[in-house]
Amino acid sequence: SAVISQKPSRDICQRGTSLTIQCQVDSQVTMMFWYRQQPGQSLTLIATANQGSEATYESGFVIDKFPISRPNLTFSTLTVSNMSPEDSSIYLCSVEGSSDSTDTQYFGPGTRLTVL
Amino acid sequence: QKEVEQNSGPLSVPEGAIASLNCTYSDRVSQSFFWYRQYSGKSPELIMSIYSNGDKEDGRFTAQLNKASQYVSLLIRDSQPSDSATYLCAVVMDTGRRALTFGSGTRLQVQP
Repeated sequence: SAVISQKPSRDICQRGTSLTIQCQVDSQVTMMFWYRQQPGQSLTLIATANQGSEATYESGFVIDKFPISRPNLTFSTLTVSNMSPEDSSIYLCSVEGSSDSTDTQYFGPGTRLTVL
Repeated sequence: QKEVEQNSGPLSVPEGAIASLNCTYSDRVSQSFFWYRQYSGKSPELIMSIYSNGDKEDGRFTAQLNKASQYVSLLIRDSQPSDSATYLCAVVMDTGRRALTFGSGTRLQVQP
């Protein structure tokens, strides 16, 4: 499976500011996904990011709040804009495996965000 | 609303026993099913994938899929304290998008 890294691993931010989370993969992948895991909850998909096209957002998530970039096949960023304490979550990127199955997803280590 | 349901637990089993984790899903046309393990403070780690009805075994883990009844289960044989974690069931409900819909997870506690 691909090796996925995320930066930062954690951050504490003030209300009203923005944070950009980076996701780097050691191989080229077509589809990357961004998930949110709120405290004590399961994972919820924010958006799907394909290289060369606009990200596709899930219901309840909008581009103004969570802008995503996908400049190439190994990298993506998610920005959490105008943060509030409700944005305190773990943010995870994932990619599809390329060898065993086209829809098997592997997750990065996550970014733990706390908004004060 | 397409959903994946799991019992939140905790499911407590003694060391060496079989742990049985269950998951049901709402979308009858779903084709791809996954079990992830998540330790506290860590990201989900893929354990098993299953696509066809029946059983699929990998070491101490067996995934079972019954599409007619819309459930998927995970059996862990010879449970170890190190298996204590939250187990997440995930389903691809829209093959075009290929995004995962997760259940809420079942917390497993293996008692030494």
